Amino acid sequence: IAGITQAPTSQILAAGRRMTLRCTQDMRHNAMYWYRQDLGLGLRLIHYSNTAGTTGKGEVPDGYSVSRANTDDFPLTLASAVPSQTSVYFCASSASGTGRSGANVLTFGAGSRLTVL
Amino acid sequence: AQTVTQSQPEMSVQEAETVTLSCTYDTSENNYYLFWYKQPPSRQMILVIRQEAYKQQNATENRFSVNFQKAAKSFSLKISDSQLGDTAMYFCAVSLNGKFYFGSGTKLNVKP
Repeated sequence: IAGITQAPTSQILAAGRRMTLRCTQDMRHNAMYWYRQDLGLGLRLIHYSNTAGTTGKGEVPDGYSVSRANTDDFPLTLASAVPSQTSVYFCASSASGTGRSGANVLTFGAGSRLTVL
Repeated sequence: AQTVTQSQPEMSVQEAETVTLSCTYDTSENNYYLFWYKQPPSRQMILVIRQEAYKQQNATENRFSVNFQKAAKSFSLKISDSQLGDTAMYFCAVSLNGKFYFGSGTKLNVKP
């Protein structure tokens, strides 16, 4: 089934530990995104990638890093987790990117719930 | 900066009745796209409806329709004949140059 796979589904993590959230899509979408969802704040963009080999910062990038070595994978890394990074993280993809009108919609993964203690 | 505002944190509606969710946004761009996404308790984000800003005709998808007022930068969602399965969080979003910006969401409760 075509779509986005995120792993892990849920994780409890000690503060100061390193954590990588994985995201893989099989739709050959050029653009990929990481959002965090917090109650009352909606979804906020952390990082994005318009195409393999390029990445950009979103609204709340501090404490996070991403890489885009190929079209399908877009991992999100927390180098040293802090409690304020407790959230639900969504990976998403789209067939559009910067420079083109956002004609295509976002397709989301199922989310990863991360708790930092 | 682009912002999306949903001023109704929570709403309730009786089954089979009609409800309207509000959304306003701020952008200096002329070409953009607007979306409503639904998030049921399963946490999955589901596209409800999409509107191109250059189209004056309001988008409709079965029981879901929008009232798009470009000059007022308003994009409300009307749900007709509400069903129990419509209970969810609803997010308004704007797409600009490939980036998608979301509002804080409206929690809709459909009561039997």
